[in-house]
Amino acid sequence: DIVLTQSPGTLSLSPGERATLSCRASQSFSSNYLAWYQQKHGQAPRLLIYGASTRATGIPDRFSGSGSGTDFTLTISRLEPEDFAVYYCQHYATFGQGTKVEIK
Amino acid sequence: QVQLVQSGAEVKKPGASVKVSCKASGYTFSSFFIHWVRQAPGQGLEWMGIINPSAGSTSYAQKFQGRVTMTRDTSTSTVYMELSSLTSDDTAVYYCARDRALTVGGTFDFDYWGQGTLVTVSS
Repeated sequence: DIVLTQSPGTLSLSPGERATLSCRASQSFSSNYLAWYQQKHGQAPRLLIYGASTRATGIPDRFSGSGSGTDFTLTISRLEPEDFAVYYCQHYATFGQGTKVEIK
Repeated sequence: QVQLVQSGAEVKKPGASVKVSCKASGYTFSSFFIHWVRQAPGQGLEWMGIINPSAGSTSYAQKFQGRVTMTRDTSTSTVYMELSSLTSDDTAVYYCARDRALTVGGTFDFDYWGQGTLVTVSS
């Protein structure tokens, strides 16, 4: 089974800064099947990116996804106060362990 | 608008079973696969299985094989997830989620989620 490892575990940044989140897979797969989710405390996850780089409906363009093979990245160009949350990558039935983006 | 509305919180004793419902609205129920994902307190997301609401066919994560059953009622656009032989490790929030695309087997990205159902297993 593919294992997804997200780094860092926690990212401490200020509003307006750029956030770069990594998702590394234990083996290569098609980027068609890499998704990113945002989860705020007490809420269900929200789909941000699918197919590694396609923004889901209604997702602001400050969120972008990239990567292929085993290395994938979610970038938030300028953090807004509502972006502080936990982010998960996913490939089929496997989720990464999450990266928490917290206010510095 | 698309909505997935789940049943309320449950408290169960070890060894019991729980059945969680997920009622869909705002789209053609039979056209999109439904997944179940759980999240233990303070932990990450764990995929449990998938159901094709049209055919009723299912596929379960190996971890839950033999303990989970997913069914659907097309007359009410509702999907059910039943988990048996509960232990304290099954204490979690259980989510249903809709597969994004009309693709055989699903794309395994989830564009709409239920609000979650907290299942607490305690003696």
